[in-house]
Amino acid sequence: KNQVEQSPQSLIILEGKNCTLQCNYTVSPFSNLRWYKQDTGRGPVSLTIMTFSENTKSNGRYTATLDADTKQSSLHITASQLSDSASYICVVNTGNQFYFGTGTSLTVIP
Amino acid sequence: DTAVSQTPKYLVTQMGNDKSIKCEQNLGHDTMYWYKQDSKKFLKIMFSYNNKELIINETVPNRFSPKSPDKAHLNLHINSLELGDSAVYFCASSHPTGRGQFFGPGTRLTVL
Repeated sequence: KNQVEQSPQSLIILEGKNCTLQCNYTVSPFSNLRWYKQDTGRGPVSLTIMTFSENTKSNGRYTATLDADTKQSSLHITASQLSDSASYICVVNTGNQFYFGTGTSLTVIP
Repeated sequence: DTAVSQTPKYLVTQMGNDKSIKCEQNLGHDTMYWYKQDSKKFLKIMFSYNNKELIINETVPNRFSPKSPDKAHLNLHINSLELGDSAVYFCASSHPTGRGQFFGPGTRLTVL
């Protein structure tokens, strides 16, 4: 069964600290994996997209990793800011279908 | 310029009414989608349209009907609204390569 699981479900960190969000998937075949950030009351916005051959991709303070062998991805946020408070969603694409994780709710406190 | 737009942003209505949500994308994408996000924040796909043909239809009540007048528009019509229909509905579009989806800002539907 094609599934995308994310952990933790929620996370609270102090401003300036780093954190790592996890995404494990059983989706097959694999085309690409994308991390989205969803601010409260807004639509999801893409942070990174990774294909099978890519292990790491950065977008500012966001760094995503992908291990296609173990079917795991992580999103590392460096030097967190209050504006990083949002839900982060991992989405795996088979090429013609998208499978969504349940998301991680991140709260950054001053 | 907004890539994927939805109207209205908020919709409050009575049970039993019929309502529509509009979606437009100016990205030239071939496929458009409707998602429902419930209170637990999980995004669940409802429909997708590719070149005006329905290619995905999950277990959605037939009270929901997508309507696509052209490739840039995919509207969602809901008949006989129920309390459980209250949610945020997102429209999205994607390029044929399937490298990812672009989402609209969402429509918060509240059924009283």
